[in-house]
Amino acid sequence: EAGVAQSPRYKIIEKRQSVAFWCNPISGHATLYWYQQILGQGPKLLIQFQNNGVVDDSQLPKDRFSAERLKGVDSTLKIQPAKLEDSAVYLCASSNSGTSGTEQYFGPGTRLTVT
Amino acid sequence: GQQVMQIPQYQHVQEGEDFTTYCNSSTTLSNIQWYKQRPGGHPVFLIQLVKSGEVKKQKRLTFQFGEAKKNSSLHITATQTTDVGTYFCAGPSLGDDYKLSFGAGTTVTVRA
Repeated sequence: EAGVAQSPRYKIIEKRQSVAFWCNPISGHATLYWYQQILGQGPKLLIQFQNNGVVDDSQLPKDRFSAERLKGVDSTLKIQPAKLEDSAVYLCASSNSGTSGTEQYFGPGTRLTVT
Repeated sequence: GQQVMQIPQYQHVQEGEDFTTYCNSSTTLSNIQWYKQRPGGHPVFLIQLVKSGEVKKQKRLTFQFGEAKKNSSLHITATQTTDVGTYFCAGPSLGDDYKLSFGAGTTVTVRA
């Protein structure tokens, strides 16, 4: 089966600019996650969707980050405006269960550099 | 909130040697998952442990879940160059099992 797809793979922007990332989960996976992974750290959950509804966005900086999953399939994560500390890899993952009792499948990530 | 800690942060191993990495949670976990991330890659699921005291093996890798379900370990025997990467443990908290918290990982390098 096809894995989780993400684009772009790399993005370089200047601070205060906007950027958007796209994710297409594994077909049939109802749950989609966006993580932020800063160099040398573990992934940090930003937002979790179950179908097209938000399950958890408690760690999403809502003043600058937004995410949507309108049709319950693919998703976009946007940062506006970007800050230097947003430089990280943004990972999308999906699973076929609403709980974390099942494995998560990660995409290749988008490496964001903010200058 | 829940914290998941891993030690050591770095593990330098001579090829052929054994080592163990440890994972500790500040709260009781309903399950623990382990992922491996190769340099430049993305996390890949290795295993999930659910029962108190559970032990699972995958070839040279042995995973254990503590009796109190607050800690876990990964033991690798006869380390090979293919074991290079960062090993993360991750777990949800009891009563909050849809939210997965990752540790900072143990980064393994191997001397041939």
